[in-house]
Amino acid sequence: EDKVVQSPLSLVVHEGDTVTLNCSYEVTNFRSLLWYKQEKKAPTFLFMLTSSGIEKKSGRLSSILDKKELSSILNITATQTGDSAIYLCAGETGGGADGLTFGKGTHLIIQP
Amino acid sequence: DADVTQTPRNRITKTGKRIMLECSQTKGHDRMYWYRQDPGLGLRLIYYSFDVKDINKGEISDGYSVSRQAQAKFSLSLESAIPNQTALYFCATSEPGTGDRYTFGSGTRLTVV
Repeated sequence: EDKVVQSPLSLVVHEGDTVTLNCSYEVTNFRSLLWYKQEKKAPTFLFMLTSSGIEKKSGRLSSILDKKELSSILNITATQTGDSAIYLCAGETGGGADGLTFGKGTHLIIQP
Repeated sequence: DADVTQTPRNRITKTGKRIMLECSQTKGHDRMYWYRQDPGLGLRLIYYSFDVKDINKGEISDGYSVSRQAQAKFSLSLESAIPNQTALYFCATSEPGTGDRYTFGSGTRLTVV
């Protein structure tokens, strides 16, 4: 059974801090690892990672995949209150099956 | 208009009632999915479909059924709703390729009382 585990499940930091969110995965016929941000309703796409060791960046957010360790991290630097959200990690299955296996999410709260 | 539209947005129903959640998309994607989200549990896959004639069970299909009426429409039914089916339901579509391939609807918040 495919499994994605995120840690921590919740995190409270102060504005300006840097945070690192963790994701480990066991996914059959692994294709990619995706990160989403969920604020109110639908998850919004952040990153898709397929190659190990190549960092993807978008502003203050960055992410990297380690296929040897079956893990990924999402970094947010100089956090702002607008970064408060649930961050979801998902492993994508290739081959005959399809779809995403999500972790439980990390609930990140940024205090002013 | 949204690329993936879910109706209704919110619904309260009674135990034992049949209810249908509808999803339509303008993305032209062949692949469609239904997920449910419970607090603290992330999203879990209920059913997915590769095309009109293809339906596949996901992780938690018991108590649910689906219908792919057309490429653009994928509906989820609860034949006899029970309280533990209270959740936030998402429809999603995807296309081959890389990057932002999955498009999620805004969700349907279902409460079974």
